[in-house]
Amino acid sequence: DTAVSQTPKYLVTQMGNDKSIKCEQNLGHDTMYWYKQDSKKFLKIMFSYNNKELIINETVPNRFSPKSPDKAHLNLHINSLELGDSAVYFCASSQRDRGIAGASTDTQYFGPGTRLTVL
Amino acid sequence: AQKITQTQPGMFVQEKEAVTLDCTYDTSDQSYGLFWYKQPSSGEMIFLIYQGSYDEQNATEGRYSLNFQKARKSANLVISASQLGDSAMYFCAMREIYNQGGKLIFGQGTELSVKP
Repeated sequence: DTAVSQTPKYLVTQMGNDKSIKCEQNLGHDTMYWYKQDSKKFLKIMFSYNNKELIINETVPNRFSPKSPDKAHLNLHINSLELGDSAVYFCASSQRDRGIAGASTDTQYFGPGTRLTVL
Repeated sequence: AQKITQTQPGMFVQEKEAVTLDCTYDTSDQSYGLFWYKQPSSGEMIFLIYQGSYDEQNATEGRYSLNFQKARKSANLVISASQLGDSAMYFCAMREIYNQGGKLIFGQGTELSVKP
């Protein structure tokens, strides 16, 4: 059983197009994330949702719009794609900690990634 | 500001030997968690091990152990008895327990190559 799944795995598209990436988790977690991994393999948070509420928006261009229809799903829609959007996008999920120091229950589990190539 | 530093862009190790991957971090918080992830060439991110800032003992998970030195702000990953399948990119990450949203801050990664 796949814990965190993403579709599609590969996405090749032209500049200016609009595309979406879907993410689903079956771990019962209440928090989901989008991370971007650039060509140098550096990973950076983009968004975080807790129970369908946006709680992190990390200075991402507003061409990127996350949507969480329920706490098991977090989709990423990208408008007017640019060359610089080419990257691997990872979805992740966790159970948000309750401020308990040292809690290990907040481990984030990642999806397989979506490699986006903008031509 | 939170920061994770991995100073070894690439490492080589002989099969069956142990290897240590370095990670230092910077935070002003007292409560935080440290994570290591493995990214093989297939691209997925695999969680390996977790250490909480208040954990008194070093975390261990099978062949993985975390050498946690709080005063030095280091959280090195030790892989014992390296296997060819350990060849991958390894990322150290930190999360401050009370930060908004629980985001992970990642280091630059270390590419480990295991030689037969």
